[in-house]
Amino acid sequence: NAGVTQTPKFQVLKTGQSMTLQCAQDMNHNSMYWYRQDPGMGLRLIYYSASEGTTDKGEVPNGYNVSRLNKREFSLRLESAAPSQTSVYFCASDRPDRGFNQPQHFGDGTRLSIL
Amino acid sequence: QKEVEQNSGPLSVPEGAIASLNCTYSDRGSQSFFWYRQYSGKSPELIMFIYSNGDKEDGRFTAQLNKASQYVSLLIRDSQPSDSATYLCASRDSNYQLIWGAGTKLIIKP
Repeated sequence: NAGVTQTPKFQVLKTGQSMTLQCAQDMNHNSMYWYRQDPGMGLRLIYYSASEGTTDKGEVPNGYNVSRLNKREFSLRLESAAPSQTSVYFCASDRPDRGFNQPQHFGDGTRLSIL
Repeated sequence: QKEVEQNSGPLSVPEGAIASLNCTYSDRGSQSFFWYRQYSGKSPELIMFIYSNGDKEDGRFTAQLNKASQYVSLLIRDSQPSDSATYLCASRDSNYQLIWGAGTKLIIKP
């Protein structure tokens, strides 16, 4: 059981380049999330998808777009990368419809550097 | 705005002692609470959750919840160097959203 899989694990971009971070889960979870985590800081929610076909902004959505491709896959796109977007990006998923005690499960993260 | 607050630390504890990690939350409507451990360079992993007032034990870990004081804690007994990590506290609100604390860095000294 792979859980939550993120690709790529590492990426270096130049300012202004675009890229898409991929996330897939095989746990039949309805909800998926994208977070960023900067050094010494907690998780900040970028976007989330409560269910297939829906997406919503989180705390720090500017500069990002997302696509919920199907129930398994949720991608994050940087259209024009900026140095301020250098961070570690985590994808997570859960099934809150099963109750308040459902935890979020995380992928291994993507370490992104923008030069 | 709903908040979860943690002391950033670092909290330094001798090996074999009890480590006590604390977390307060602002939303009285919070339904459940989660503790995650995050090693440097790794993703958060779930340690345990709690939703009822009182204590919940799992091996060397005990979570404590006091809804009246809006306070959650995690106790780690017989601390080991492998417990050195950042511990994240999160609350799930009535809209099923997870609100995250910034984490407490724990260092276990051999």
